Amino acid sequence: SQQGEEDPQALSIQEGENATMNCSYKTSINNLQWYRQNSGRGLVHLILIRSNEREKHSGRLRVTLDTSKKSSSLLITASRAADTASYFCATHEKLTFGTGTRLTIIP
Amino acid sequence: GAGVSQSPSNKVTEKGKDVELRCDPISGHTALYWYRQSLGQGLEFLIYFQGNSAPDKSGLPSDRFSAERTGGSVSTLTIQRTQQEDSAVYLCASSLRDRAGELFFGEGSRLTVL
Repeated sequence: SQQGEEDPQALSIQEGENATMNCSYKTSINNLQWYRQNSGRGLVHLILIRSNEREKHSGRLRVTLDTSKKSSSLLITASRAADTASYFCATHEKLTFGTGTRLTIIP
Repeated sequence: GAGVSQSPSNKVTEKGKDVELRCDPISGHTALYWYRQSLGQGLEFLIYFQGNSAPDKSGLPSDRFSAERTGGSVSTLTIQRTQQEDSAVYLCASSLRDRAGELFFGEGSRLTVL
């Protein structure tokens, strides 16, 4: 079964707007990671947040983690057409990935 | 090499044939993972190797699937008597040590079973 589940499944926004994706998981974790996938090929690691962290930033990315709600969110600010991709959360201890959010940025 | 290398990048085979997919991880990475991704779907965990420990095979969907990792480096995923439902992209990833670290993915092997 999937440990992480992303929401929404698909998201389309105008270039320049912010995009927010959510991830829920079921069991306790040591860390949670977000990955990006272009065109169904290999995934690229974006950011890792540890269970004792509540928020982390990397460039235009902001990740939050709420362990009490077993949820995480990924915010991409000032979106660009090149951000169009699928985004996955992963809880590695269970070796599972969610089903992903397919993000489309409209130029 | 600098990254995880997978071959072949594309494979078309006939139903009932056996196929072998190869993964060459990043040098020094002790952990290696295989995932399967069907069209438009998420990643399905198949198998995990960590150093000299017994592999975690809990994700293999049937006994037609097997994998080995020789010398703690290159891994081969074998699918025997392929079926049409085996058509998918098979992704390999490696990480420096254990389950909690960042994964580095290859570009995948796209398998089409006719």
